This record gives sequence, C-alpha cells and structure tokens, in this order.
Amino acid sequence: AQSVTQPDIHITVSEGASLELRCNYSYGATPYLFWYVQSPGQGLQLLLKYFSGDTLVQGIKGFEAEFKRSQSSFNLRKPSVQWSDDADYFCAVGVYTGNQFYFGTGTSLTVIP
Amino acid sequence: DVKVTQSSRYLVKRTGEKVFLECVQDMDHENMFWYRQDPGLGLRLIYFSYDVKMKEKGDIPEGYSVSREKKERFSLILESASTNQTSMYLCASSGATSYEQYFGPGTRLTVT
Repeated sequence: AQSVTQPDIHITVSEGASLELRCNYSYGATPYLFWYVQSPGQGLQLLLKYFSGDTLVQGIKGFEAEFKRSQSSFNLRKPSVQWSDDADYFCAVGVYTGNQFYFGTGTSLTVIP
Repeated sequence: DVKVTQSSRYLVKRTGEKVFLECVQDMDHENMFWYRQDPGLGLRLIYFSYDVKMKEKGDIPEGYSVSREKKERFSLILESASTNQTSMYLCASSGATSYEQYFGPGTRLTVT
C-alpha cells in the first residue's frame, strides 16, 4: 500500500538558517512526488513537483527538493528561511489510478527571529 | 491561474442537519476531490470524481455523499451531521494528465 511518512511533526529554525524537511514514501513504482505549503487558515499551495528526469527540482519561494530512489525519499530544502516560511508543509505521492494523492501528516515549521 | 473556490470559509451546523459544501473550479479540470484535514492525521480523501456524474469513494466515505452534475462543480453532502465531522474540508481539482492538484481555501465546519 502507498504511504508517506514525514517523521518531523514540528521544526523550529532561526530566520536565515537552512532548512531540510524529510519525506519518505512507500510505493511500488516510480512515484509522482509533491510538496505543498499551507499557511494558517489557508488551502494548500504547490511548492514543487517531481515526475521524472533531474532528481533535483526547483520550486517557488526558493525551495528545492531532491528525489533519492535508493532511499525512497523526497526531502525539501531551503538555504535561508524567512519569517514568511512559517507554515505547515505536506509531502504527497501521486498514483496513476484516478490521480489520487497520498499525503503525509505534515511538518509544522516555526521560524524565530 | 487555476482558481478553486469553496462556498464558505466557516460554517456552524447543528447535529442532525443536512450540510452542503460546494466547490467550483474554473480550469476545466476533469478530476475533483474532497478531503478532510484533522490535526495529526493530515489530509484524508473522502470522495473523488473523474468525470461528470462519476464518483469514487476515497479512504473515509462513511457519512458523506457527493454530487457532480456539472464539470466545474463538486458538492460534498453530510446527510446528517455529527460532531465527529467537525473538521477542515478541502476541495481540489486536477487535469486528466497533469496530476498536480490545486486546492481551494478550505471550509472549517463546526458541528455542535
């Protein structure tokens, strides 16, 4: 069965520090992978996606993610976080049938001055 | 830009009421989805639809039904609301082959 694990429930980083959010997935084939961000009281906004090709993908707001097939991981990174990055982050795996998604439980990011 | 709108941002209903949550997308997307989001549980799929009048159960369909009479509109129905259906409800849409889902702002439903 497909599943997505985000092992860090909550992370606190200082403004200007680097960030890495972890995501591991379980899926039998090459997955479609996504990262979404959710600001308080808002819907989810797509940050970036991986379908195939280059395993390092660039997204919006200065985020990037790297697909590592051998580790079944798709970690999200940002070299220097900003106060505006304070939000919840969700990793998702897309499967081919019905375009369904499986979401992780999310990582809540707090950015401190 | 894709726009997905939901009829209400906040909704308060009483136990036993019939509740309608409406979702409209403006990008001619084939697929539409309803999720509920609860702390610590992430997003869970309730129902999805890949065409007009078509629907498929997701992971937690019990207590819910859906309607898709027009391509742009997907409704979630709580036949008899219960307190355990208090949650954030998110609607999303995607194209037939594009896979990425676009989300609405969500409806926070409270059932008292």
